[in-house]
Amino acid sequence: DQQVKQNSPSLSVQEGRISILNCDYTNSMFDYFLWYKKYPAEGPTFLISISSIKDKNEDGRFTVFLNKSAKHLSLHIVPSQPGDSAVYFCAASRVDSSYKLIFGSGTRLLVRP
Amino acid sequence: EPEVTQTPSHQVTQMGQEVILRCVPISNHLYFYWYRQILGQKVEFLVSFYNNEISEKSEIFDDQFSVERPDGSNFTLKIRSTKLEDSAMYFCASIQGEGYEQYFGPGTRLTVT
Repeated sequence: DQQVKQNSPSLSVQEGRISILNCDYTNSMFDYFLWYKKYPAEGPTFLISISSIKDKNEDGRFTVFLNKSAKHLSLHIVPSQPGDSAVYFCAASRVDSSYKLIFGSGTRLLVRP
Repeated sequence: EPEVTQTPSHQVTQMGQEVILRCVPISNHLYFYWYRQILGQKVEFLVSFYNNEISEKSEIFDDQFSVERPDGSNFTLKIRSTKLEDSAMYFCASIQGEGYEQYFGPGTRLTVT
């Protein structure tokens, strides 16, 4: 059941450049999308989210874009910093489904100094 | 800053034994969740809990699993008879109210031998 997919298992970018992480979903009933960051041996940490009624949400260096027609969202990190190196998970949720999160498989981001 | 805590950080048990994983959600939160992540795989939803009862559970959450909120602070996950395939990181999460941004604990690594 691959309702949320992250097709790139890894991404490497130079410090200061833009990191773009992508996520696709299949269930058009999702009404909220979230990005989580995870370091080894720690729990996922909430990063940024977007409602399905919006197409963009920005928080500092992080921006999430939602393209509902394509069922695609992306996370932009500008500028990327070495401390951003972690695994990033895309997740989706529905208000009528106890707000449970359906996660993608994650993308490991490495920001090179 | 309030945080979700989990104990123990690592639990080793023999196949067939019962284990109880403990979580203390953030104090004013109302919705509680358990997720698991098998090594190298995605984070998977197990169960959601609201108003002292299960609101939703996944097909993974079979009769061997149970959850309880025995007092006003703890939220526990019990596995009655562990199997080798129960080896995973187990994450507890909570939400304050009707929202989507779940706060995760650091996880318990369960190893079944």
